[in-house]
Amino acid sequence: DAKTTQPTSMDCAEGRAANLPCNHSTISGNEYVYWYRQIHSQGPQYIIHGLKNNETNEMASLIITEDRKSSTLILPHATLRDTAVYYCIVRGAHNTNAGKSTFGDGTTLTVKP
Amino acid sequence: GAVVSQHPSRVICKSGTSVKIECRSLDFQATTMFWYRQFPKKSLMLMATSNEGSKATYEQGVEKDKFLINHASLTLSTLTVTSAHPEDSSFYICSVGTSGIGQETQYFGPGTRLLVL
Repeated sequence: DAKTTQPTSMDCAEGRAANLPCNHSTISGNEYVYWYRQIHSQGPQYIIHGLKNNETNEMASLIITEDRKSSTLILPHATLRDTAVYYCIVRGAHNTNAGKSTFGDGTTLTVKP
Repeated sequence: GAVVSQHPSRVICKSGTSVKIECRSLDFQATTMFWYRQFPKKSLMLMATSNEGSKATYEQGVEKDKFLINHASLTLSTLTVTSAHPEDSSFYICSVGTSGIGQETQYFGPGTRLLVL
């Protein structure tokens, strides 16, 4: 699985958009970008994933650059409950890779009032 | 997405005893489940892949005789920490992978916090 690089920490004001970057310059053509978050003392929560097109769901938007070497997770209106560690993971989507997600250190997002 | 539960949510035990942690997939039949371990202020580390009806696959450096995994049904996998020691104190998390036309998404349980005295 491709290695990812994320900033260690970020702050965001409540109500503003939180933009979390991720670099994955060695991503291969069949690898997806997945985002998870982990609120303190809880299991990770799936947020969104994509291959090359931008994706949006009820939680967030995922913007993937055209060369696929980086992506940005956008929380449009951050709330205090969005404070968590956000993990960007790149891996193949085939059955044999299911679950073999390599978690890096992630980005600790702190949403401030 | 899949709903995954774990039991117990936290457990305290004496050194030398064994502890069993259950992971249940409540709304999805999971042929494969995964077990992770997370130490304080660290990221998740995959321990093993639990396969229904067959032996688990362990990651390098994880002792299979110490961390016994049983996946007897499509909805239940158990992790038993045998002869637990204080260094086994950690946050243990299981996950289920689901497929959506070839795209596997993981759903995680809430975790079990183990403290070995």
